[in-house]
Amino acid sequence: NAGVMQNPRHLVRRRGQEARLRCSPMKGHSHVYWYRQLPEEGLKFMVYLQKENIIDESGMPKERFSAEFPKEGPSILRIQQVVRGDSAAYFCASSVTGDNQPQHFGDGTRLSIL
Amino acid sequence: DQQVKQNSPSLSVQEGRISILNCDYTNSMFDYFLWYKKYPAEGPTFLISISSIKDKNEDGRFTVFLNKSAKHLSLHIVPSQPGDSAVYFCAASVASGGSNYKLTFGKGTLLTVNP
Repeated sequence: NAGVMQNPRHLVRRRGQEARLRCSPMKGHSHVYWYRQLPEEGLKFMVYLQKENIIDESGMPKERFSAEFPKEGPSILRIQQVVRGDSAAYFCASSVTGDNQPQHFGDGTRLSIL
Repeated sequence: DQQVKQNSPSLSVQEGRISILNCDYTNSMFDYFLWYKKYPAEGPTFLISISSIKDKNEDGRFTVFLNKSAKHLSLHIVPSQPGDSAVYFCAASVASGGSNYKLTFGKGTLLTVNP
């Protein structure tokens, strides 16, 4: 499967724990984007990364959220000290370049906070 | 502030007929538009896009129309098939700006195609 791979597909955490969401882009894609979808809402942009660089994190909450895309390995979206309001579907997308290229999405990670 | 609006939460059509999904936007800087289809428990799948220099783009059964003066676009599916039943998202970006990667999505329209 050469698509965008996200894992885990479902993640359950208790309030105060940390959540780590992983994303491997499509082969040949070096641009990664994270989006969040709350219930009954559209997807909202969070962050745009290239290898070892955060290009735009304007959609990320200022606290507890961080993202990285290391030279080797998947992109990681990390949420520290999770709260109930973090429950959502988190989608990763990738593209060949950052210019007017359709972004191809993974199947998402559904995060549930108890 | 909802910059991309899909005012119909749901739409039901008969197999073989035309499906028309509508999308309005408020940000006049948007100049690149995309439609995605999403099945339950899956990620959005890219369908078709259009740049603001065009008013129509066609790909098989899917055609997107753009009316810049009305800030309105629509997706036509002809003929509709039961497998088209999904949530359809309209998305937009400012292609000519420095943040052309930042997609703004509508809330989606659930299309049901009845056999």
